[in-house]
Amino acid sequence: SQQGEEDPQALSIQEGENATMNCSYKTSINNLQWYRQNSGRGLVHLILIRSNEREKHSGRLRVTLDTSKKSSSLLITASRAADTASYFCAIMDTGRRALTFGSGTRLQVQP
Amino acid sequence: GAVVSQHPSRVICKSGTSVKIECRSLDFQATTMFWYRQFPKKSLMLMATSNEGSKATYEQGVEKDKFLINHASLTLSTLTVTSAHPEDSSFYICSARAGGGAGTGELFFGEGSRLTVL
Repeated sequence: SQQGEEDPQALSIQEGENATMNCSYKTSINNLQWYRQNSGRGLVHLILIRSNEREKHSGRLRVTLDTSKKSSSLLITASRAADTASYFCAIMDTGRRALTFGSGTRLQVQP
Repeated sequence: GAVVSQHPSRVICKSGTSVKIECRSLDFQATTMFWYRQFPKKSLMLMATSNEGSKATYEQGVEKDKFLINHASLTLSTLTVTSAHPEDSSFYICSARAGGGAGTGELFFGEGSRLTVL
């Protein structure tokens, strides 16, 4: 399977703390994307990082990419209760045009 | 931003019936659409790639006669679950990419359709 692996599978933190999620993959990629999904809802695109980029920021989000280790991390700073959701990494590998999703991290932010 | 609409958002059907789910790109033309399936608390698994005007490309293990995909126009793809059984109950999500080319950019996702087969 080309599906990426994410850890932790579940994460519970207090409001105001930072949350870090990690994603590992196996193939060569064009880009890696992070998505958020509220329970029973569709996906919301958070951020895209290209294979030649190492770090990217968007508001309270910080994404890193290490292509030598085939891994990425998503950091959410100063978390809020509204950040409670599942977060998925997804890779666009060099041979396909579809996204392959990781296993996801369920984040619970306690108010 | 671009909007992808799925309909219906929820459907309950009896075992043995067929169910059609529509995926529409509302403000852009999508030459390629993708259908994913998601079980509870699990990740999204790609089922098939739908290209406008041609046959869909199915992922390994996905029955093409079970999950019929039609992409008849640049703004509409449909997934028909034929002779549905309880094990087909799942959350089905479509996504669409604008235009053609290498397509390495962002995909836009629908809100998903929850199918429950009794």
